Amino acid sequence: GEDVEQSLFLSVREGDSSVINCTYTDSSSTYLYWYKQEPGAGLQLLTYIFSNMDMKQDQRLTVLLNKKDKHLSLRIADTQTGDSAIYFCAEASGGYSTLTFGKGTMLLVSP
Amino acid sequence: AAGVIQSPRHLIKEKRETATLKCYPIPRHDTVYWYQQGPGQDPQFLISFYEKMQSDKGSIPDRFSAQQFSDYHSELNMSSLELGDSALYFCASSSEYEQYFGPGTRLTVT
Repeated sequence: GEDVEQSLFLSVREGDSSVINCTYTDSSSTYLYWYKQEPGAGLQLLTYIFSNMDMKQDQRLTVLLNKKDKHLSLRIADTQTGDSAIYFCAEASGGYSTLTFGKGTMLLVSP
Repeated sequence: AAGVIQSPRHLIKEKRETATLKCYPIPRHDTVYWYQQGPGQDPQFLISFYEKMQSDKGSIPDRFSAQQFSDYHSELNMSSLELGDSALYFCASSSEYEQYFGPGTRLTVT
């Protein structure tokens, strides 16, 4: 079955770069997503990447995909205290497909 | 921009009661998904609808049912509530590749 794994916790200083990693097992995954969840709030879609892409950049966010190793990463440049949240990696096997989430990585940004 | 609307935002029920959660998708999104997120957990898929028909089913208990109406809004009906049903319930709507989540309904069963 599908499995998505993430490290549970990451702590960085304000202004540093943050890199959150994710691995997945389903070789039929065609879309990979990053969501942000602040305490008690909903899930905010940050970005997503198609499996035929290696990289996607969107302002301070860079997504890297290594399809051979089934490894996805999210880099946040110039991390701010407002970036403190839980970041979920998710995969889907196609359009209109359900999402399978990792357990989430808690990012703590200290001043 | 319009977002997914869920109501109510908070709901407190007692064991064995019923609850109905509502979801209003983003306009022109024809697919709705329901997810359950327990405390400290990742969201788990329950059920989805495409053009008012059930399109996929996940780990939804038999005590729960859902439907999508002609105006594309969806309702999740939960009966015989148990303490373990206490969770955040998210609705998401999709424009094929992008799933946008609502703010969630926090259900507390006492």
